[in-house]
Amino acid sequence: GAVVSQHPSWVICKSGTSVKIECRSLDFQATTMFWYRQFPKQSLMLMATSNEGSKATYEQGVEKDKFLINHASLTLSTLTVTSAHPEDSSFYICSARDDKVSSYNSPLHFGNGTRLTVT
Amino acid sequence: AQSVAQPEDQVNVAEGNPLTVKCTYSVSGNPYLFWYVQYPNRGLQFLLKYITGDNLVKGSYGFEAEFNKSQTSFHLKKPSALVSDSALYFCAVRDPNTGGFKTIFGAGTRLFVKA
Repeated sequence: GAVVSQHPSWVICKSGTSVKIECRSLDFQATTMFWYRQFPKQSLMLMATSNEGSKATYEQGVEKDKFLINHASLTLSTLTVTSAHPEDSSFYICSARDDKVSSYNSPLHFGNGTRLTVT
Repeated sequence: AQSVAQPEDQVNVAEGNPLTVKCTYSVSGNPYLFWYVQYPNRGLQFLLKYITGDNLVKGSYGFEAEFNKSQTSFHLKKPSALVSDSALYFCAVRDPNTGGFKTIFGAGTRLFVKA
């Protein structure tokens, strides 16, 4: 149970184009999802909190207009990297919280990540 | 603000030997602490968590972690390492009083277990 599907698993795009990454909770509802970016030296940076039906909450230093987040349903959040540049190349990982588990001590469920390469 | 530090980029251990992966944290209130493992090109998998109670918590695959409030540490341990334990390990903290479900991760520690 508690499977998060992230698509695509890898994508190569040209500089200046936009790329959309999908994050779906397959067997649970997720009002809240989180988007992380993993840098080459391993560290995992929280980019934003995605909230179903409302605007995402971005972390300090993350450009809202650059990384567009849409959480249109209880099982789907999307991250769009707009006007991508080579420095946006990274591994993007989404995670979701199961709505049925309301306790703050519940772990997150992660997708398998998306490797973005901008040429 | 909450933060997590994993002082070691890499830990090397021989198969069969005990392993420790270090983690220290900083939060304003009582922390919820987690360990996750990541295999190449995959997302993170939950290993174990500390919420309250017994300072030694046991998790998946024979891993355990010890919460030490005075040292603000939550080190991951395993009595006998396996080659298959080689992976990237993340410590994470959540402070529900200030951040709700927001979870902050450490920089990660790569564990190499030699046969």
